[in-house]
Amino acid sequence: DGGITQSPKYLFRKEGQNVTLSCEQNLNHDAMYWYRQDPGQGLRLIYYSQIVNDFQKGDIAEGYSVSREKKESFPLTVTSAQKNPTAFYLCATSGGITEAFFGQGTRLTVV
Amino acid sequence: DAKTTQPTSMDCAEGRAANLPCNHSTISGNEYVYWYRQIHSQGPQYIIHGLKNNETNEMASLIITEDRKSSTLILPHATLRDTAVYYCIVRVTGTASKLTFGTGTRLQVTL
Repeated sequence: DGGITQSPKYLFRKEGQNVTLSCEQNLNHDAMYWYRQDPGQGLRLIYYSQIVNDFQKGDIAEGYSVSREKKESFPLTVTSAQKNPTAFYLCATSGGITEAFFGQGTRLTVV
Repeated sequence: DAKTTQPTSMDCAEGRAANLPCNHSTISGNEYVYWYRQIHSQGPQYIIHGLKNNETNEMASLIITEDRKSSTLILPHATLRDTAVYYCIVRVTGTASKLTFGTGTRLQVTL
């Protein structure tokens, strides 16, 4: 939404497998964010990146990894170390002086 | 980013004004107040933001107290489609700063 594409919308993986969630933006925004949302809960920040080739841990980074090789892309890998990966994952971008824009999310289910 | 506190839930009759409060007593002088809402299973949507003065747009009004320690989001004529979780956050604008959400207020608009 608003130039942010998250894919896929639904993702199923077996327990113990790593999985990568895609987030692409064409808004030319410097900052990108990944959030996790569990049922009935608010958004919790996993990682964020303020500029290419740089990123910082959020509040719940354990079991996740990210990269920011291009301004347009900020993929999130959910590793086997993440003990409870089933959740709704949201990507957002911000141009600094603007509000944040969110993608439509990826619902990950681990079976 | 400073923390915010909001009531867990609120009800509002359709056609009436919905007033959603937010406390941000530790807000810094260069932090803006932002409001977003999230309709079930979608990415959050920006509503409005402000620094000191009251703000109004086509969606809502934002009233910020003189000491800036609290604010109120007003939906002047709530409809059933306004049923959502509303998040109040504070952040520095002009930088790609950490963007932290709380648990928000679940607004239920009823007939």
